[in-house]
Amino acid sequence: QKEVEQNSGPLSVPEGAIASLNCTYSDRGSQSFFWYRQYSGKSPELIMSIYSNGDKEDGRFTAQLNKASQYVSLLIRDSQPSDSATYLCAVNKAGRRALTFGSGTRLQVQP
Amino acid sequence: EADIYQTPRYLVIGTGKKITLECSQTMGHDKMYWYQQDPGMELHLIHYSYGVNSTEKGDLSSESTVSRIRTEHFPLTLESARPSHTSQYLCASSTPRGVSTDTQYFGPGTRLTVL
Repeated sequence: QKEVEQNSGPLSVPEGAIASLNCTYSDRGSQSFFWYRQYSGKSPELIMSIYSNGDKEDGRFTAQLNKASQYVSLLIRDSQPSDSATYLCAVNKAGRRALTFGSGTRLQVQP
Repeated sequence: EADIYQTPRYLVIGTGKKITLECSQTMGHDKMYWYQQDPGMELHLIHYSYGVNSTEKGDLSSESTVSRIRTEHFPLTLESARPSHTSQYLCASSTPRGVSTDTQYFGPGTRLTVL
């Protein structure tokens, strides 16, 4: 079992719809959770971080964390073609050297 | 906006050459990282540094070496490049001094092609 699991996709949504990206993690000691966006051929860029159970909103993005279910998700409202990218979920446990990344979900927003 | 820089952005080089990929950050971050990523594939941690004079190998075995003589600088060296080293190399840094979060910020990457 991978430490951080994501559906590779592609997840295809029409423009203006809500895109829902999911991530599960195996280590209950994980404390910090991050979503990165990576365009093809580019480096990952941070979208959001979340540390507590519940929702965290930033513009069109909402991160949701449920530590009991070991589940973190990212909702993108009013999806735009420019949101088409691979979304990486990353998790950190205290004492670990670095973030553990999932393999990413490829999102395609159809105009 | 993170201030982390990598040079060169693109490098095409012949087999057997020695290369150094540069990475610098101006944020005063203690931790720095090197990742390797093939197109469409996962990120793999190859080197990690807690701070000056502290380096460790990552999860993926790599023939590269790193050094950390200054806080802001974390170069990666390949003594003898081979075609199997062809990949994208991503540098990242995290953790401002006195802050416990581990948010990682990435540089733009170096795309290496070894012929």
